[in-house]
Amino acid sequence: DADVTQTPRNRITKTGKRIMLECSQTKGHDRMYWYRQDPGLGLQLIYYSFDVKDINKGEISDGYSVSRQAQAKFSLSLESAIPNQTALYFCATAAGGGAGIRQETQYFGPGTRLLVL
Amino acid sequence: RKEVEQDPGPFNVPEGATVAFNCTYSNSASQSFFWYRQDCRKEPKLLMSVYSSGNEDGRFTAQLNRASQYISLLIRDSKLSDSATYLCVVNQESSYKLIFGSGTRLLVRP
Repeated sequence: DADVTQTPRNRITKTGKRIMLECSQTKGHDRMYWYRQDPGLGLQLIYYSFDVKDINKGEISDGYSVSRQAQAKFSLSLESAIPNQTALYFCATAAGGGAGIRQETQYFGPGTRLLVL
Repeated sequence: RKEVEQDPGPFNVPEGATVAFNCTYSNSASQSFFWYRQDCRKEPKLLMSVYSSGNEDGRFTAQLNRASQYISLLIRDSKLSDSATYLCVVNQESSYKLIFGSGTRLLVRP
């Protein structure tokens, strides 16, 4: 079984709809991240969380919200979807605790392809 | 200026060739450096970390030049399976946030 899972894998929605993307991990990692990837662009950080009580905005948080329901779960919501939120969304995890910055390795889920019409 | 810049390619090389990718980063306070590999429509996966002294993992060699803020990846004896996009990744200052380059695409032909 995959260590980092995302649901749904593909989603088509209409402008103005609220949708939620979910991420679960069995790696026991403290840090979790949401990114979006657009063609020809690097991954852009939307939100990140270093533990259950910690939520931080990334570079492009406008129009998105997140919830860290448990150590293993981090969900991303689009409150009112718009067409320019059409993208590939990735969840990632990384070990917390004593792991130093130089050992920061992020493990990605398989991604969710979102199309907003 | 982008924080992490890469030549998008594609680099089209025959099997067995040696190919090198370069990457520059803008923040001199960055402390961790990585190369990730991303196959088409798949998630990025860590290929290797990049250390100041340079490091090698089989056919792959990574180098870091802090003075020039430059990272490189050398692939020797290219295989068809090396075809992918290679992402240069740098941490943002002294944080656990990673900045991803937009990637260099490699195509290895028979």
